[in-house]
Amino acid sequence: DSGVTQTPKHLITATGQRVTLRCSPRSGDLSVYWYQQSLDQGLQFLIQYYNGEERAKGNILERFSAQQFPDLHSELNLSSLELGDSALYFCASSATSGRSNEQFFGPGTRLTVL
Amino acid sequence: TQLLEQSPQFLSIQEGENLTVYCNSSSVFSSLQWYRQEPGEGPVLLVTVVTGGEVKKLKRLTFQFGDARKDSSLHITAAQPGDTGLYLCAGSLSNDYKLSFGAGTTVTVRA
Repeated sequence: DSGVTQTPKHLITATGQRVTLRCSPRSGDLSVYWYQQSLDQGLQFLIQYYNGEERAKGNILERFSAQQFPDLHSELNLSSLELGDSALYFCASSATSGRSNEQFFGPGTRLTVL
Repeated sequence: TQLLEQSPQFLSIQEGENLTVYCNSSSVFSSLQWYRQEPGEGPVLLVTVVTGGEVKKLKRLTFQFGDARKDSSLHITAAQPGDTGLYLCAGSLSNDYKLSFGAGTTVTVRA
């Protein structure tokens, strides 16, 4: 158990809908990262927050947004969903955003868009 | 194009054999991690290397960071069925907060 929690475990929805994925980092970790993993793309970095502030952006679509709250939990919002958004979404946390950047991953949310 | 190239993509060996997975790049990394992932679960951190030439051992697993910090290898001695999984390398470039992942090596150890 990494100490990172994600809810829900599974999510099934229809195209055009909007969903929210939630992540709670390990106790004491200030950084939260979101990743998307699909069969053909591998693990792709989406976005990072550090202590409530956006720190880095990766291949995140404009239809997707995220935020980190004062209690350090984070939410990833996916809107106008398309079939191609079906994937595993992982949250990871780390103590800092520094050089060694050791990240600890949650169990993931499997999103299926029908 | 992947920043980190892993090879081989798939590896199937008999229990007791040794194996090596490679992770290569043309870029210099400030740190590099190895993760193992089971189907449907999140990647689990195995090791972090930060110094060129560094070697770390974790039971039967040996990790090496290249002298120039552009490549790494994972060697498993006397593999067991419990070593089966997807092995991912991931690196941070200097002044970059994100991790870039390789495509992974799927290792299957047959009993």
